[in-house]
Amino acid sequence: NAGVMQNPRHLVRRRGQEARLRCSPMKGHSHVYWYRQLPEEGLKFMVYLQKENIIDESGMPKERFSAEFPKEGPSILRIQQVVRGDSAAYFCASSPPHNSPLHFGNGTRLTVT
Amino acid sequence: GESVGLHLPTLSVQEGDNSIINCAYSNSASDYFIWYKQESGKGPQFIIDIRSNMDKRQGQRVTVLLNKTVKHLSLQIAATQPGDSAVYFCAVPGGTSYGKLTFGQGTILTVHP
Repeated sequence: NAGVMQNPRHLVRRRGQEARLRCSPMKGHSHVYWYRQLPEEGLKFMVYLQKENIIDESGMPKERFSAEFPKEGPSILRIQQVVRGDSAAYFCASSPPHNSPLHFGNGTRLTVT
Repeated sequence: GESVGLHLPTLSVQEGDNSIINCAYSNSASDYFIWYKQESGKGPQFIIDIRSNMDKRQGQRVTVLLNKTVKHLSLQIAATQPGDSAVYFCAVPGGTSYGKLTFGQGTILTVHP
């Protein structure tokens, strides 16, 4: 049973470029969450999605960040015009429809140069 | 909003000792609590959870204690092993979704052989 799959594991972007982070939830899980972890800090909630719907994006920065979870394919977190402050580890987690503990992927480490 | 704090940022123990990691939370209405373990370069891994109608729950070598009176949570690891070395986070759901978590800053556990 494959866990939550994230790719790429590492991503380097220059300032002003776009970053696309992908997440495939565990089989049978229809709820996807994105979290950001800055160095030496805990994880911070960004967005909660179900298939084709954004349920809660209260943790997303108002500009440059967007997320989707299409009917087919992985969930995508997109960061446009990246800045150095976007450098962080981005984790995706999934859960089944009922309230259950989240299962996390191993993250994408974004470095903005 | 919810805030979650940890009393000690680092904890060093000898192999075979018992470890206790503490966590305080602020919202007395919180009814579900989770401990995660994060190893270097990996995503958080679920360890154990507890609901507010319980004050103790045991897993394999781990026990979580909940004191709702003082809003305090602890994770006890018995016979700590080098493989237990990691960062430990307590987390509390906010809102209606159990996946929208507020994480503490983390306690770094180092186990010396």
